[in-house]
Parts: sequence; C-alpha cells; structure tokens
Amino acid sequence: NAGVTQTPKFQVLKTGQSMTLQCAQDMNHNSMYWYRQDPGMGLRLIYYSASEGTTDKGEVPNGYNVSRLNKREFSLRLESAAPSQTSVYFCASSGARGANTEAFFGQGTRLTVV
Amino acid sequence: GDSVTQMEGPVTLSEEAFLTINCTYTATGYPSLFWYVQYPGEGLQLLLKATKADDKGSNKGFEATYRKETTSFHLEKGSVQVSDSAVYFCALETGANNLFFGTGTRLTVIP
Repeated sequence: NAGVTQTPKFQVLKTGQSMTLQCAQDMNHNSMYWYRQDPGMGLRLIYYSASEGTTDKGEVPNGYNVSRLNKREFSLRLESAAPSQTSVYFCASSGARGANTEAFFGQGTRLTVV
Repeated sequence: GDSVTQMEGPVTLSEEAFLTINCTYTATGYPSLFWYVQYPGEGLQLLLKATKADDKGSNKGFEATYRKETTSFHLEKGSVQVSDSAVYFCALETGANNLFFGTGTRLTVIP
C-alpha cells in the first residue's frame, strides 16, 4: 500500500521558471491538501480539496495553483517561481474534512529556487 | 482564529529521561487534537489523537490528555529512546477547516 506518493523528491528551479508538483493517493480519500514547511513556522496550508472537482485556498495560496485531476491526484503548480517559495512541500490526504480522521502525508518535495 | 502554540525547541535529552512537550490551543467549538511525528527525511505521521475533553491518546509509550479547562494537550513519555529523535507537531482540527499545526519541536535523544 503506497499511501501518498509525491514527485519529485528534490528540485532546483531558477527564478521565473515554472513547475508542477505531483501527488497521488491510493486510499480512496476525499480530501487532499498541499502544505509548505519552513523553519520555525511549522506547516502552513497552501490549498486543499475537499472532494473531486473542488479546491479552496488555504493560509498561503499566493503564487500557487492547484488541480484536482481526479479523486486520486492533486497537483500543485508554481507558474513563476520566486526565492520565497524555497521550502519543503507536503501533500496529504484524509478520509473527510472535519471527521477527526488521520491525515496521511507524502515524503515531501524539497524545492530550492535560486 | 484557531491556533496552536507549541513549546519551542530544540529539546535534548539523555536516553531514559522523561519527556514533556507543551502544547496549548485556541479554538472555537470543540476541536480534535493530534500529535504528529516527523522522522528525518520523512513526511509527518500520526502519533496519537484525542477527540473530546478528558480523552487520553496514547501510542508507542507516548501519552497526551485533552484538557479543556487549560486548553492544553501536552505530550509525555516516561523513558525516551534514541529512536524517538524526531520533530513533533501538535495540531488541531475544528471540523470546519483544515488541520492547524504548531511550529514543531525537535527532540534529540543521546545515548
């Protein structure tokens, strides 16, 4: 059982370049999330998707877009990368929002923007 | 708004020492409370949870009790091991929004 799979694991971008982070889960979860993790700031929610076909902004959505391609996949796109987006990005999924259920996390993508 | 305040680290302990990591929260309604652990190079994984006041969550020797009167959910372990070295995150979910995480506490256990 793979759980939540993120790709790539590492990426270096130049300022202004674009890229898409991929995430897929095989647990038939309705809810999926993208977080960024920065030193001293914990995890901050970028976007989430409560179900297939819906997406909503989280705490720090500026500079990002997302697509809930189907129930399994939730991608995060940086259209024009900036050094401030250097971070570790985590995708997560859970059975349902507000159901006090466990969130499962991918292993993360370490992104450096130079 | 909803938030979690977590004891800042890093915390360094000798093996078999007692561990406490403090966590307090602010929330409207009745949140569920969680502790997640992140081992080096990995994503977060659930350590334990409590969904209502006075509940005690426990796993792998770790415990935390949901205290509504003090709005706290402190993590404790009686005897830490080197393998417990990780970053620990307190989190809450109100049912109306996403998981709110604390800033994380890095624990290092030395032999």
